[in-house]
Amino acid sequence: EDQVTQSPEALRLQEGESSSLNCSYTVSGLRGLFWYRQDPGKGPEFLFTLYSAGEEKEKERLKATLTKKESFLHITAPKPEDSATYLCAVWGNTGFQKLVFGTGTRLLVSP
Amino acid sequence: DSGVTQTPKHLITATGQRVTLRCSPRSGDLSVYWYQQSLDQGLQFLIQYYNGEERAKGNILERFSAQQFPDLHSELNLSSLELGDSALYFCASSAPGGSTEAFFGQGTRLTVV
Repeated sequence: EDQVTQSPEALRLQEGESSSLNCSYTVSGLRGLFWYRQDPGKGPEFLFTLYSAGEEKEKERLKATLTKKESFLHITAPKPEDSATYLCAVWGNTGFQKLVFGTGTRLLVSP
Repeated sequence: DSGVTQTPKHLITATGQRVTLRCSPRSGDLSVYWYQQSLDQGLQFLIQYYNGEERAKGNILERFSAQQFPDLHSELNLSSLELGDSALYFCASSAPGGSTEAFFGQGTRLTVV
């Protein structure tokens, strides 16, 4: 069964203090790893898709990387508006584009 | 705005009742997915439809059912509601073809009292 574990559960940063979020996964044949951002009471907002180990993608202060066992979401010089829950999901060979989500990392960036 | 529309945004109903949640996917998307998000759990996959046909099923209760209509909108029906069914229900859609990202609606918050 596909599984996703995210750490830490919660992270508090000062504005400008860079850090990384971790997503460890086990999947029977990775077809895609997805990062989403979710604000309270809102739907997840798509950030990145990574398909193979070694792949990297960037968007503003965010950079996602992928290895065969885990993915990292690096946040460089975060701002208070980056505060949100960041979700990682995998799509494996067990289901037709069925995404298995982790429980997320709650990020709080203080000014 | 993801382009996925869900109605209603909020729903309060009593135990034992039945409700219908509606989802309109992004223009051109053929796949629709339903997810449940409770406070103590992450996003749980319920069911997926592709161009009107059921394609994948998750841990969806027998009291829950869904369908996708010819115009590609989808409905999730929840019956014999229990307090534990209170949650956020999200719909997502994706474009035809493999390896494409899913875009989520803003969700329906269901409260069972």
